[in-house]
Amino acid sequence: LAKTTQPISMDSYEGQEVNITCSHNNIATNDYITWYQQFPSQGPRFIIQGYKTKVTNEVASLFIPADRKSSTLSLPRVSLSDTAVYYCLVGDSNSGGSNYKLTFGKGTLLTVNP
Amino acid sequence: ETGVTQTPRHLVMGMTNKKSLKCEQHLGHNAMYWYKQSAKKPLELMFVYNFKEQTENNSVPSRFSPECPNSSHLFLHLHTLQPEDSALYLCASSQVPAQTGYEQYFGPGTRLTVT
Repeated sequence: LAKTTQPISMDSYEGQEVNITCSHNNIATNDYITWYQQFPSQGPRFIIQGYKTKVTNEVASLFIPADRKSSTLSLPRVSLSDTAVYYCLVGDSNSGGSNYKLTFGKGTLLTVNP
Repeated sequence: ETGVTQTPRHLVMGMTNKKSLKCEQHLGHNAMYWYKQSAKKPLELMFVYNFKEQTENNSVPSRFSPECPNSSHLFLHLHTLQPEDSALYLCASSQVPAQTGYEQYFGPGTRLTVT
């Protein structure tokens, strides 16, 4: 699975837009990019997933440039309850034998301040 | 509420005890997973079950013994644990083969303390 690099921590204020960038230089052709959110003492929660260009759902947007070597999770107008660790993962659903294996890094701790 | 439940939510056990963690998913998924999350460390995948068959064991010590009697239930049997085994144990499930990438649904976890 491709290795990902993302900032250890970020600070923001309520109402701001937050962009968290993840680098995945050795992403493979079949890899998808997935983001999870984790609150303290809870399991991670799926946020968004994409392959290329832009994906938007009710929670966030995911921007993926043409070379797919990085991706940016965009959280519009964050609130205090968005304080959490955000994980970027890349992987392929068809890499036989490990097609359902998630490898989590350290993630980005986003702290939203009042 | 993700559709994945875990019991107990908290567990304190001595090193000589035997206990079991239980996970149940109500999503109709056919793959289930155990993860360990120690303080300030990334989640570590422990075991993977696909259609009740264990397909992955990430070099987990034998004092952790998983059991998957059916696609909806997953257990983690614990015996003679060490204090360093204290952690949050998370269960997850997903549909395989995944159509696109990896969407796993996690339970709330069991906070285990070994004394």
